[in-house]
Amino acid sequence: AQSVAQPEDQVNVAEGNPLTVKCTYSVSGNPYLFWYVQYPNRGLQFLLKYITGDNLVKGSYGFEAEFNKSQTSFHLKKPSALVSDSALYFCAVRDPYTGGGNKLTFGTGTQLKVEL
Amino acid sequence: GAGVSQSPRYKVAKRGQDVALRCDPISGHVSLFWYQQALGQGPEFLTYFQNEAQLDKSGLPSDRFFAERPEGSVSTLKIQRTQQEDSAVYLCASSLEQTQNTEAFFGQGTRLTVV
Repeated sequence: AQSVAQPEDQVNVAEGNPLTVKCTYSVSGNPYLFWYVQYPNRGLQFLLKYITGDNLVKGSYGFEAEFNKSQTSFHLKKPSALVSDSALYFCAVRDPYTGGGNKLTFGTGTQLKVEL
Repeated sequence: GAGVSQSPRYKVAKRGQDVALRCDPISGHVSLFWYQQALGQGPEFLTYFQNEAQLDKSGLPSDRFFAERPEGSVSTLKIQRTQQEDSAVYLCASSLEQTQNTEAFFGQGTRLTVV
């Protein structure tokens, strides 16, 4: 079975500082990995995905994520945080090889708070 | 349309009532998903359609939950005899293709409160 862990319920960072939101996953084969962001009273918005190829993927709003197979991690990063980045971030995994179908399995979310 | 549209945005139901939640996916999107998001949790998969075919309903929590997409576009999630534990945000998502490397686009959700 596929699963995702986001070990931090909340991450606080000062504006202008780099940010990292952690994600680890568990699948039987090679994973497809996604990051989504959720603003209050809004739906989930797609940020970026890793399917294959370069381990560093770049996405919307200056975010990037690094796939690390040996550590089964897919941490979300941004070099310089903005107050407007404050939101709830979800990591998700899809296992295409073991009959998991098309469903995404989400983590429990990490609340990012960027302060002036 | 410009995005995935869900209606109603908010629904209050008395325990035991039936409810129907509607999802209008992005035009032309083949795949459609329903997720349930409880307060403070990540979305949990309910069911998946490829066009009009319901290919996966493994996440539906009980036989009170039923979903359909009869013409391969609009979908309805129906919950019969609602219970308090059904209170959650119900999210619909669609994606252009059925391939698994395609990202899904989510609607704003329907917040269901059962009283």
